[in-house]
Amino acid sequence: EAGVTQFPSHSVIEKGQTVTLRCDPISGHDNLYWYRRVMGKEIKFLLHFVKESKQDESGMPNNRFLAERTGGTYSTLKVQPAELEDSGVYFCASSQAGTGPREQYFGPGTRLTVT
Amino acid sequence: SQQGEEDPQALSIQEGENATMNCSYKTSINNLQWYRQNSGRGLVHLILIRSNEREKHSGRLRVTLDTSKKSSSLLITASRAADTASYFCATDALVGANSKLTFGKGITLSVRP
Repeated sequence: EAGVTQFPSHSVIEKGQTVTLRCDPISGHDNLYWYRRVMGKEIKFLLHFVKESKQDESGMPNNRFLAERTGGTYSTLKVQPAELEDSGVYFCASSQAGTGPREQYFGPGTRLTVT
Repeated sequence: SQQGEEDPQALSIQEGENATMNCSYKTSINNLQWYRQNSGRGLVHLILIRSNEREKHSGRLRVTLDTSKKSSSLLITASRAADTASYFCATDALVGANSKLTFGKGITLSVRP
């Protein structure tokens, strides 16, 4: 079974440009999460999809960030326009449907560098 | 300070020794999870302990949870060089279907061969 995949693995863009990150969750996982780790800080939750619906987007830093999950499969996270403080590693995770405690399976992350 | 705060921040031990890592948190939780991250890789789930559990084992891993002290520990016994990685604790309040992990900054474990 393939794990969570993310593309690209690394992106270097200039301030003001747009970047789109992609996450493919484990097949059949209804829950999809985005997290990010800014240098020197802890990994922070951004948002949670259940299928194609945004269940919780309380961690999205501002309206320059837009996440979508059309069709309830893969998800994209667009940053437009990118700022220097957006640099960091963006992780995607997925988990099975259900209401009990369950582990989240993480992808390798996308390292975003904004110059 | 943040939820899921680990200590020490860095730990260096000899292969074969045991490694103990601690995590403290501030708010109520449904469960606590430990993850490992090898350099440049994604987070790998190690173990999940529910708030009504006190201890859990998985292979060479032993996790304890003390909800009265809002703390958890991860013990790796008979460490190996391959255990060198960053370790994170993450708490999950799990309100309804809303699962949202809150991580600490992590502990860097180095196991010397």
